[in-house]
Amino acid sequence: DGGITQSPKYLFRKEGQNVTLSCEQNLNHDAMYWYRQDPGQGLRLIYYSQIVNDFQKGDIAEGYSVSREKKESFPLTVTSAQKNPTAFYLCASSKGEGSQPQHFGDGTRLSIL
Amino acid sequence: GNSVTQMEGPVTLSEEAFLTINCTYTATGYPSLFWYVQYPGEGLQLLLKATKADDKGSNKGFEATYRKETTSFHLEKGSVQVSDSAVYFCALSRPTGGYQKVTFGTGTKLQVIP
Repeated sequence: DGGITQSPKYLFRKEGQNVTLSCEQNLNHDAMYWYRQDPGQGLRLIYYSQIVNDFQKGDIAEGYSVSREKKESFPLTVTSAQKNPTAFYLCASSKGEGSQPQHFGDGTRLSIL
Repeated sequence: GNSVTQMEGPVTLSEEAFLTINCTYTATGYPSLFWYVQYPGEGLQLLLKATKADDKGSNKGFEATYRKETTSFHLEKGSVQVSDSAVYFCALSRPTGGYQKVTFGTGTKLQVIP
């Protein structure tokens, strides 16, 4: 079955450390997205990518970076500049057209040690 | 800008009760509208969608009708089950800056008790 795989499920970050969250999809979708979910705040867009080697900042990109070297992969790095990284991170993909829904992975929960 | 407003939760219902979760939106033009469901510790799953006015999306006993005149997309189910306990998100999709931006509501937690 096609889907989106996020890893790891749980991740811990030390002060001053960068960590990378993995997101892989086998749905042959062009567009991929990273969201941050905090309690009571819904989902906020961090970065998105519509095609390989291209990505754009979302609403809360500061302290994060991404790459899109392959269609299937869209890793997110949470840098030490992100001062409040504790959250649930969700990766999604879609065909990119407006009426097409986004498909989500099961998320990575990041906590600070 | 675009926005989605959902009713505050949590919503607690007895099994077999009728469910309504209100959702209203603000957007220019004709957005596509979605309901997603999130079970504990998981990502969001598409529940249903509607792409134009008066469309009715339905799935697993849930329904929602795209009402352009009231800018609403309320979620309903005639008889809820314990397994329906989850967080429900209303969302809209509109072209913004060359891509399809999705705006989510803050989610409504549903708890169904036996």
